[in-house]
Amino acid sequence: SQTIHQWPATLVQPVGSPLSLECTVEGTSNPNLYWYRQAAGRGLQLLFYSVGIGQISSEVPQNLSASRPQDRQFILSSKKLLLSDSGFYLCAWGTGLAPREQYFGPGTRLTVT
Amino acid sequence: DAKTTQPPSMDCAEGRAANLPCNHSTISGNEYVYWYRQIHSQGPQYIIHGLKNNETNEMASLIITEDRKSSTLILPHATLRDTAVYYCIVGGGKLIFGQGTELSVKP
Repeated sequence: SQTIHQWPATLVQPVGSPLSLECTVEGTSNPNLYWYRQAAGRGLQLLFYSVGIGQISSEVPQNLSASRPQDRQFILSSKKLLLSDSGFYLCAWGTGLAPREQYFGPGTRLTVT
Repeated sequence: DAKTTQPPSMDCAEGRAANLPCNHSTISGNEYVYWYRQIHSQGPQYIIHGLKNNETNEMASLIITEDRKSSTLILPHATLRDTAVYYCIVGGGKLIFGQGTELSVKP
């Protein structure tokens, strides 16, 4: 069966510090991968998605970036965090055949202070 | 993508069926209806999807009206663990989560 991992589960970072969140998927190959953010009390916002190694599509311009160095690894990064980057970051995977059937990881709760 | 309208909140007694409505009057012919739920502090969980026919799986049933302008997600025997925000999503592209319906299952 497929599983998706995210770490860390929680993170507190000062403004201006760098960020690296990692997501890995097991039990499937060539998945579509997604990064979402959920601000407090609000809906999910799609940040990035990837259909293959090195292929990244950005949905919202911001100071975040994403990379996919391996088939089942998706990384969310920032060089300098802003207060507005605080939120609940979720990684998800899906297949190309059913892109709207996605399976989410446990999430990382980021607080920028 | 078609827009959806859901009530902001609903209550349900434990053990009873929970019927969550969704209006999507502008849905087009090739757009599926997807349902997800999000339990507090967890990632969303895929529940079910359908196009025209009613669908059932181990989690829920999805009833889509004949004109496809609305649908209902049915949890046949709601438990306290079904307390969550339920999202109805329509369209053929990316997942776009609205505000959903906050379902509270009460003892």
